[in-house]
This record gives sequence, structure tokens and C-alpha cells, in this order.
Amino acid sequence: SAVISQKPSRDICQRGTSLTIQCQVDSQVTMMFWYRQQPGQSLTLIATANQGSEATYESGFVIDKFPISRPNLTFSTLTVSNMSPEDSSIYLCTHSLGYTFGSGTRLTVV
Amino acid sequence: EDQVTQSPEALRLQEGESSSLNCSYTVSGLRGLFWYRQDPGKGPEFLFTLYSAGEEKEKERLKATLTKKESFLHITAPKPEDSATYLCAVQARSVWGAQKLVFGQGTRLTINP
Repeated sequence: SAVISQKPSRDICQRGTSLTIQCQVDSQVTMMFWYRQQPGQSLTLIATANQGSEATYESGFVIDKFPISRPNLTFSTLTVSNMSPEDSSIYLCTHSLGYTFGSGTRLTVV
Repeated sequence: EDQVTQSPEALRLQEGESSSLNCSYTVSGLRGLFWYRQDPGKGPEFLFTLYSAGEEKEKERLKATLTKKESFLHITAPKPEDSATYLCAVQARSVWGAQKLVFGQGTRLTINP
């Protein structure tokens, strides 16, 4: 199964700023998925990213807040924009439904 | 609405003490049920996928089973290194028609030596 490298692993950010999270897959994959894991909560799908088309967002998530790029079949980024403390979570990427996950980005907004 | 509920939230066992974790689900047409292990500071690690009632899969001290309403993760003679959070997820369809996973909140398992 493909290996995913995710960075940064953690960050502490000021409210009102933005953070871009990167995921690099070691082989070409069609679909990539971005999840959020809030403290004490389950993983929730933010959006699905296909190369060459706009990402599709789940209910409760919008492109202005979580813009996603998918420039090729091995790479994707998720930006958390205009951050507030409520955005403090672990953000995870995966591909092909979910057999392999990145190691996660632990974001703390202060 | 697709939903996954895991119980218990936390479980503490002695080394060698076997037990089971439960995952109850409601989904429109089950396409797959996934089990993961998640260690602190890491992403979920895939363990099993089950597709139909009656199916069972094993890996070392773990065995997953599936019925039409729930799945169990049986842990036989666990060791301290089995301590982790175990996540259950069902394959569902998003509002866009694409496939996605709906996760439970996990069971935090601690094995004491």
C-alpha cells in the first residue's frame, strides 16, 4: 500500500492566521481525503480531492475555510484559513478510501 | 443517517486477559466495515475490512467479526504493546455520491503488565 508523508507534524498558530498542511504519496493515487479529528471526537471527513477537479466538501465544511489543492496524482494540500481556537484538531490525509493514513498534523490555535 | 457507535469508550485489562470491543453501526447498504489501531501522535493503522455478515478475519491476537448490526474486535491474551485506541469505520456514500468512511469515537485500550 502507498506510503503517505504528512507535514508539519504539529504547529501552534495565532488566531486569524492560516496554516497549510501537505501530504505526499509515494505512488500515484486517484482520490485523496482530508479528515479532522477534534479532541475526544471521531474522525470527520472534510473533503475529497481528485486531481484535475475541484475538491468536494462535506456538510459543515466550506472551501473558503479549508481550501484544498491537488496539483498532481501524488500530492495534496489543505489550508486552514483564518484560524480560531475551535480549529485546534488533528488533521489527517488518506488515499483510496482509507487503507493508509498520514501521520497527522496536530494543530493548536492560541 | 450513517452512524457508528463504539463501546466501551475505555477498557483497562491485565496482560493475558481476553476481551472484546464492540462497534454498532447503521448505514444504508454496508459496503465495508474497517478496523484501525491508532497510537498517540500517529495516524490510524489499517487492521481489517469486513464486507458481509458472518465474515471473520484474524491478525495475531486480534480477530474481527461482523453481523448485520455490529462488529466485534476480539483480543486474545493481550500484551502491553496492544495498548492503543481502536477505531471502527463504515464505508458510506457522501452527499456527492462518492465513497467515504464514517468513524466511531474509538475505544481506548490499556493493557497493564
